[in-house]
Amino acid sequence: NAGVTQTPKFQVLKTGQSMTLQCAQDMNHNSMYWYRQDPGMGLRLIYYSASEGTTDKGEVPNGYNVSRLNKREFSLRLESAAPSQTSVYFCASSEGATRAGYGYTFGSGTRLTVV
Amino acid sequence: DQQVKQNSPSLSVQEGRISILNCDYTNSMFDYFLWYKKYPAEGPTFLISISSIKDKNEDGRFTVFLNKSAKHLSLHIVPSQPGDSAVYFCAASDSGGGADGLTFGKGTHLIIQP
Repeated sequence: NAGVTQTPKFQVLKTGQSMTLQCAQDMNHNSMYWYRQDPGMGLRLIYYSASEGTTDKGEVPNGYNVSRLNKREFSLRLESAAPSQTSVYFCASSEGATRAGYGYTFGSGTRLTVV
Repeated sequence: DQQVKQNSPSLSVQEGRISILNCDYTNSMFDYFLWYKKYPAEGPTFLISISSIKDKNEDGRFTVFLNKSAKHLSLHIVPSQPGDSAVYFCAASDSGGGADGLTFGKGTHLIIQP
């Protein structure tokens, strides 16, 4: 019962470094999402993938890129990390793009610090 | 501009009493509403949802009420238990809209006092 798996759980980067956050789900869900959580800001959508082969920007996409590698995997890349990207990142998946009422299954998060 | 608002950052309730968490929204296109619960160092977990065609949905100790005319929903937990201490996020979706993804509020930290 893995659900949504995110790696790594913790990461410290220097300003300007790049890294990729990995996410995989084993529930055969069509849609996957990347959110960031900041104190006092709730969860904000970075990018999403409604189905394999498609990706779209969310509310806060600047500074990020994504890849929907296959149905299971959706990665988030920071090309040149900035201190403003210090956050907790959550990956989520759901059964269908427009059937959000089913709810999302979230991973346990990646805590990223950019110094 | 915040489309989903949770105006109480925190709420303290005595064990056994009722907890009421509130949420307001501004987008009239939202047609599905959800509540998520989050413990520290874990991802949010789905708690309960309600469609805009209903005004109430109940699941055990948890009930969500929706008042469409006021664009307001609330989550009632009764009786409150220590394990309910967590951050609760209200979320909304527009299933017919062009942009996908849930819109979340900022969360309310519920503290259950023994």
